[in-house]
Amino acid sequence: GDSVTQMEGPVTLSEEAFLTINCTYTATGYPSLFWYVQYPGEGLQLLLKATKADDKGSNKGFEATYRKETTSFHLEKGSVQVSDSAVYFCALSDPGGGADGLTFGKGTHLIIQP
Amino acid sequence: KAGVTQTPRYLIKTRGQQVTLSCSPISGHRSVSWYQQTPGQGLQFLFEYFSETQRNKGNFPGRFSGRQFSNSRSEMNVSTLELGDSALYLCASSLVGQGARNEQFFGPGTRLTVL
Repeated sequence: GDSVTQMEGPVTLSEEAFLTINCTYTATGYPSLFWYVQYPGEGLQLLLKATKADDKGSNKGFEATYRKETTSFHLEKGSVQVSDSAVYFCALSDPGGGADGLTFGKGTHLIIQP
Repeated sequence: KAGVTQTPRYLIKTRGQQVTLSCSPISGHRSVSWYQQTPGQGLQFLFEYFSETQRNKGNFPGRFSGRQFSNSRSEMNVSTLELGDSALYLCASSLVGQGARNEQFFGPGTRLTVL
């Protein structure tokens, strides 16, 4: 079945550091890929998405490129802020592969220190 | 436009009891999906309802059930609660249902604790 693998962390960085959170996936069809963010005590918010190979999703300084050849969708940000501290989830939607609902990775807890 | 609302936000039950959780989707959204979030298993898809019909179902036992009303509001029921059912239950709504281009909007969740 479909699956998403991401580093779990916690990942601790200093403010203004460069961020990379790795995400790789396995899917039988042609999935769309997502990054969601969860702040403490809240639900998930869509951060960015990409629906086909080589698409780049971007939002709030975060970027991720859909790499079909490496089955990856790594999240990057050039300069993180304390307010970016949250849990980040990589996810896929694979209607052609028979998977139902979004398939999520385990989540990466990001801590940004001032 | 109001977001997805879930009630109650927190719930404490004992083993063997049953519980009903409620989700009101964003106005105009016809699809409601439910997810279970636990530290061990992460986020897992429970089921999706669209136009009052269950359209997709995850790999959960029959103790987990749901329904959707004509106004798109949805309820999720768990019978004969077990300790392992303690989790954050998230509801998500979208315009037309599961699919790559249909963004899902999540509610804040209901935290269920089973003692």
